[in-house]
Amino acid sequence: SQQGEEDPQALSIQEGENATMNCSYKTSINNLQWYRQNSGRGLVHLILIRSNEREKHSGRLRVTLDTSKKSSSLLITASRAADTASYFCATDKSNFGNEKLTFGTGTRLTIIP
Amino acid sequence: EPEVTQTPSHQVTQMGQEVILRCVPISNHLYFYWYRQILGQKVEFLVSFYNNEISEKSEIFDDQFSVERPDGSNFTLKIRSTKLEDSAMYFCASGGQENNEQFFGPGTRLTVL
Repeated sequence: SQQGEEDPQALSIQEGENATMNCSYKTSINNLQWYRQNSGRGLVHLILIRSNEREKHSGRLRVTLDTSKKSSSLLITASRAADTASYFCATDKSNFGNEKLTFGTGTRLTIIP
Repeated sequence: EPEVTQTPSHQVTQMGQEVILRCVPISNHLYFYWYRQILGQKVEFLVSFYNNEISEKSEIFDDQFSVERPDGSNFTLKIRSTKLEDSAMYFCASGGQENNEQFFGPGTRLTVL
């Protein structure tokens, strides 16, 4: 089964608005991580949320996790042009390290100045 | 802030040639990974490595692929006889023991002609 499907596939908003991206998965997980990828570049780790957590904040980022619905959302508040990138969720089943990540298809976010 | 580095940033090779992609993980990390991303597609897991041996590998990681940690700092991915379909961005990642947070390098773009 496919793990980690983000929606929308693409999102364009005006600078200053909030951007919300969603991720759904099919099997049970232990951690869910969000990454940002600027075009053709590397993956930047944004935030990790564990399966026993419901919400986590980091700066302008807010991540929620609903294990009953097998979904997560990433909210970027007060968006900036520099937030233009693709955003991926990645899941794993590990209680500690050494576990592969399964990535979603990504949401391409464009911030219009 | 410590980061994962990768060299080269771009490698062009002829089909059938051997390539070695190099990575320097974050120094106190114990778990190492290779992933790849074919243009426009998901990031896919290739292999994980811990305690000087492969922990897990995907079906992509066939006999043409090998990994090595030749010294205390480098982590390499070798493709013995490259194929056209090996063209992709290859990402190295490393992680610590506390959780499965994985930090990615900037990637090596491999082009097989």
